[in-house]
Amino acid sequence: EPEVTQTPSHQVTQMGQEVILRCVPISNHLYFYWYRQILGQKVEFLVSFYNNEISEKSEIFDDQFSVERPDGSNFTLKIRSTKLEDSAMYFCASGTYIGGPEAFFGQGTRLTVV
Amino acid sequence: AQTVTQSQPEMSVQEAETVTLSCTYDTSESDYYLFWYKQPPSRQMILVIRQEAYKQQNATENRFSVNFQKAAKSFSLKISDSQLGDAAMYFCALNSNSGYALNFGKGTSLLVTP
Repeated sequence: EPEVTQTPSHQVTQMGQEVILRCVPISNHLYFYWYRQILGQKVEFLVSFYNNEISEKSEIFDDQFSVERPDGSNFTLKIRSTKLEDSAMYFCASGTYIGGPEAFFGQGTRLTVV
Repeated sequence: AQTVTQSQPEMSVQEAETVTLSCTYDTSESDYYLFWYKQPPSRQMILVIRQEAYKQQNATENRFSVNFQKAAKSFSLKISDSQLGDAAMYFCALNSNSGYALNFGKGTSLLVTP
């Protein structure tokens, strides 16, 4: 069964460093998303991406965040200058939007900023 | 603004018994979708069931069913014949047709006892 894959599973970085989280969405999906979950809290929407541009973003998704689809398969989230409060689980998701906006999630990348 | 409320931080059920997880929501949209996601200790988000607001019939997926009360803005999840593998965090989520984001509740931690 097709699935969304994310790499790495765990990333440790120093405060102020740039990180890139990578995702390979399900191949026939057209909509791509990033969510984050700070430990013990709910899952929060960051950004959605369709037709090679951001379609919606939350207040969390400020100038230090960016997304890119550099080729036909990968979808990346870049955090330019990480802060301690960026430590969280980051989930990539994709969907077709056909028949409803359900999102299929990857297994997540645990980002730890030290 | 959309809100999703899960008023039960924790629930417990015995194996083979039935349990109901509560979710209420608020939206000004007339057309929207509701979802239940399961997050086991691996922390991957797994779609359990979805409901289109325009459908009166309650969704069912094997042992999982929902009780969708549109007027009351209530969307509860019933798990029948509970299994040890059902132990997880369960999140209720809402999406309206005017946006791409899933809006999650804070989750209910389900414990299944032998």
